[in-house]
Amino acid sequence: GESVGLHLPTLSVQEGDNSIINCAYSNSASDYFIWYKQESGKGPQFIIDIRSNMDKRQGQRVTVLLNKTVKHLSLQIAATQPGDSAVYFCAETNGGATNKLIFGTGTLLAVQP
Amino acid sequence: GAGVSQSPSNKVTEKGKDVELRCDPISGHTALYWYRQSLGQGLEFLIYFQGNSAPDKSGLPSDRFSAERTGGSVSTLTIQRTQQEDSAVYLCASSLESSGKITQYFGPGTRLTVL
Repeated sequence: GESVGLHLPTLSVQEGDNSIINCAYSNSASDYFIWYKQESGKGPQFIIDIRSNMDKRQGQRVTVLLNKTVKHLSLQIAATQPGDSAVYFCAETNGGATNKLIFGTGTLLAVQP
Repeated sequence: GAGVSQSPSNKVTEKGKDVELRCDPISGHTALYWYRQSLGQGLEFLIYFQGNSAPDKSGLPSDRFSAERTGGSVSTLTIQRTQQEDSAVYLCASSLESSGKITQYFGPGTRLTVL
């Protein structure tokens, strides 16, 4: 079935370094992708999104890249800070009548001081 | 401004009991979603409400699960005859869903523990 998966379950980086979290998706009909950050005991927090008619979008310290050819999505975090430590989920809409999101299992980002 | 709120934040119940979980979406958001997150897992879609349209119940795992949305605002997720495998965090999200604004904003979740 349709799925969104992550290449790395855990990513450990040094404070100040750039982080790259990767995600693969399988539904070529998906037209909307979103990254969420989830801290322990909290609900997912919106970070950045991108539509399929774009290949790059930038926010504050974050950039999302979309490669539709290989169905790959990545989240880049510049100058990673301890407060960035969390689980990051990518998600896609399934292109159907509803906008329900299909989530990957998440990547734990651990920022070392 | 106020975000999505959920209550209770934690619920411990005994196997076989019924539970009700509540979600207050962001004011003005027409779409409301329920998801379930098991320990260390991603989010699993349960049900979707949009305005007065019939809800998309395709993600409900069994007929013990049901949800209502009254007046296009508050939603209640009910789990009847709870089982231990129902233990999870239940998350609610809402979105505006007009003019292409489909970003979903999540509440803090209700952690359900079935003993």
